Amino acid sequence: DAGVTQSPTHLIKTRGQHVTLRCSPISGHKSVSWYQQVLGQGPQFIFQYYEKEERGRGNFPDRFSARQFPNYSSELNVNALLLGDSALYLCASNQRDRSTEAFFGQGTRLTVV
Amino acid sequence: DQQVKQNSPSLSVQEGRISILNCDYTNSMFDYFLWYKKYPAEGPTFLISISSIKDKNEDGRFTVFLNKSAKHLSLHIVPSQPGDSAVYFCAASPNAGGTSYGKLTFGQGTILTVHP
Repeated sequence: DAGVTQSPTHLIKTRGQHVTLRCSPISGHKSVSWYQQVLGQGPQFIFQYYEKEERGRGNFPDRFSARQFPNYSSELNVNALLLGDSALYLCASNQRDRSTEAFFGQGTRLTVV
Repeated sequence: DQQVKQNSPSLSVQEGRISILNCDYTNSMFDYFLWYKKYPAEGPTFLISISSIKDKNEDGRFTVFLNKSAKHLSLHIVPSQPGDSAVYFCAASPNAGGTSYGKLTFGQGTILTVHP
């Protein structure tokens, strides 16, 4: 069984640009969450989507947005990139909308220069 | 504010001995707790979890203890193996409902090194 898959695995962008990160959840999982992990810290919650509806939003600026598609895959978009957006972006999926055992992808390493 | 704290950035133990990783939380709304292990260049892998109605959960070499009155949980690994060397994160989940539905709050992580 395929786990959570994220693309791309690595990305380098310039300040001010826009980026789109993609996530495919485990088959049968309807909930997708996004986390940002900066070096030396634990993952920080950005968004959760369940059945294409936003169920939770963390303390991130409006430059961050996301959506979930009918096949439950998801995109995270970040506009007007800042150097501080450089981080590992993790996607997690759950079978239901309650986060019990969330299963994570390998992440997308974003570097903003 | 750091609602979930892992105060030990690193821990070093000998193979075969017990590893004890600690985690403290401040938010009384947390009712489900999880431990994740993370290797470099990989996403976090779920290890074990515990609901607030329990004080202990065991899965093979891994046991999680929860002390609700102290708002403290710990992960015991017995016996420790070199392959256990990784970063360990504790995470907490709030009661269902409201805008916090489904959100995991993570600690900063503890780097565990198990020496052969």
